[in-house]
Amino acid sequence: AQSVSQHNHHVILSEAASLELGCNYSYGGTVNLFWYVQYPGQHLQLLLKYFSGDPLVKGIKGFEAEFIKSKFSFNLRKPSVQWSDTAEYFCALGSGGYNKLIFGAGTRLAVHP
Amino acid sequence: EADIYQTPRYLVIGTGKKITLECSQTMGHDKMYWYQQDPGMELHLIHYSYGVNSTEKGDLSSESTVSRIRTEHFPLTLESARPSHTSQYLCASSEGGAGSYNEQFFGPGTRLTVL
Repeated sequence: AQSVSQHNHHVILSEAASLELGCNYSYGGTVNLFWYVQYPGQHLQLLLKYFSGDPLVKGIKGFEAEFIKSKFSFNLRKPSVQWSDTAEYFCALGSGGYNKLIFGAGTRLAVHP
Repeated sequence: EADIYQTPRYLVIGTGKKITLECSQTMGHDKMYWYQQDPGMELHLIHYSYGVNSTEKGDLSSESTVSRIRTEHFPLTLESARPSHTSQYLCASSEGGAGSYNEQFFGPGTRLTVL
């Protein structure tokens, strides 16, 4: 069965620290992978996506993610976090066509000034 | 401004009541979705629609029903609410035809509590 696993449920960092959020998926076919973010009081929104091509994907606000097929992973990274990055981050896998998504449980990131 | 709207944002209701959660989008998207999310858990797809008069059940079984009579409107109904229905319900929409993946745009969600 297709699934998405996010390893860290809560992450606390200081400003300027580097960030890496883990995401592993289970799916044997062609993958379409996404990271969504929900800032406090705001709608869930797309951060970045991978469909094919360069496995290193750059998104908004300085985020990037690397697709490693051999590890079934799509980890999210940012070299230096800011207080405004405090949010909940969801990894998602495109499943079964027709734009259906399977989401991970999310990671709550708190960045302290 | 193109957006996706959900009402109510919060709803506290007694067991046995019929409720309808509203979702509307002004982006002209053909595809719409309903997700259910319990605190600290995954979003689970419960319903989706490819267009007017098309509705399908999602991966998570739900006692709710949906309708799609107009492109912009995708309401979700619970005929008889129960405490097990307490959850957050998120509506989303996207462009694209069959076999393609496009960004899903999400509404603010409805937090439902059934007493």
